[in-house]
Formats: sequence, structure tokens, C-alpha cells
Amino acid sequence: NAGVTQTPKFQVLKTGQSMTLQCAQDMNHNSMYWYRQDPGMGLRLIYYSASEGTTDKGEVPNGYNVSRLNKREFSLRLESAAPSQTSVYFCASMDRGNTEAFFGQGTRLTVV
Amino acid sequence: GESVGLHLPTLSVQEGDNSIINCAYSNSASDYFIWYKQESGKGPQFIIDIRSNMDKRQGQRVTVLLNKTVKHLSLQIAATQPGDSAVYFCAETGDYKLSFGAGTTVTVRA
Repeated sequence: NAGVTQTPKFQVLKTGQSMTLQCAQDMNHNSMYWYRQDPGMGLRLIYYSASEGTTDKGEVPNGYNVSRLNKREFSLRLESAAPSQTSVYFCASMDRGNTEAFFGQGTRLTVV
Repeated sequence: GESVGLHLPTLSVQEGDNSIINCAYSNSASDYFIWYKQESGKGPQFIIDIRSNMDKRQGQRVTVLLNKTVKHLSLQIAATQPGDSAVYFCAETGDYKLSFGAGTTVTVRA
């Protein structure tokens, strides 16, 4: 049972490049989340998806787009990367009616 | 706006002592308040939650207290162990949204 899998684990981008962070969960959870974690800032919610077919903005959505491809997969896209998007990105999933979210190992993204 | 935040960024505690980690929240409409633990290089892990209509909930070596009057949440860890060294986040959930505070780094001294 893999839980939540994020790819890639590390990525370096040049300013203006685009990329997609992938996330997949095998727990049949309805809700999925994307967070970024910066030193001293905690986890900030970028986007979330309450169920397949729905997505909603979180606290810091600017510069990002998401796709809930199916129940398992929730991807995060940076269309034109900026140095301010250098961060560690976490994907999480949570079952409906539950409060225990399961997190991936994170993607460390550096934009130069 | 809505936010979940913590009072102190760091806490140093002697091994065997009890730890208390505090959190202030602003969204009274949240259904649940939750504590997560994050060890270095890993994603956060669930510790314990408390429903918004409760005042206290106990788990294994941990107790969460909720004071809705002053919008305050705390996590008490009994007999703190070296493995408790981590960053602790309070979080809140409602309408499928899960929001986190800034975190408190707990260091356990031998």
C-alpha cells in the first residue's frame, strides 16, 4: 500500500519554464490537497479538490493550476515558474468525514 | 481573514517532562481542530483531533484542549521523549478545506 505518491522528488527550473507536479493516492479518498511549505510559513494551501470533478482555490493559488484527473490523481501545474515559487510542495489526501490527511514525501522545487 | 496560527515558534523541553504546545485560531466555523507532527524530511502525520463541540480529548500520551471562548487550542504531550522532537502544526477543517498554522518546533533535551 503506497499511500500518497508524489513525483518528482526534486526539480530545478529556470524562471519562465513550466512543469507539472504529479500526485496519486491509492486509498480511494475523495479529497485531495496541494500545499507549499516555506521556512517559518508553515503549510499554505494552494488548491484542493473535495471530490473528483471539483477543484477550489486555497490561500495562495496565484501562479498555479490544478487538475483532478480522476479519483486517484491530482496534479499541480506551474505555467511560468518564478523564483518566489521555490518551495517544498506536499500533496495530501483525506477520506470524507475524516480528519486524518495522508501526505506524500514532498517535492523540493527550486526556481533559478 | 481565516487563519490558524501558533503562539510560539520553538519549544525546548527536558526529556520526561510534559510539553504544552499552543495555537490560536480565528475561524469559529471549523468543524474539527487537529494536531499534526512533522519530522525532518517527511510529510506531516496526524496526531489527534477534536470536534468543535468538545473541550477535551485524550489519546495515547497526548491531550488536546479546545477553548472556544478565547479561540485557543493546545496539545499536551506527557513524558516527552526524544522521538517527540519535531514540528507540530495545528490545523482546522470545514467544508473539505484543511488549513494549517505556522508550526512550533519542539526540541527534546536529554
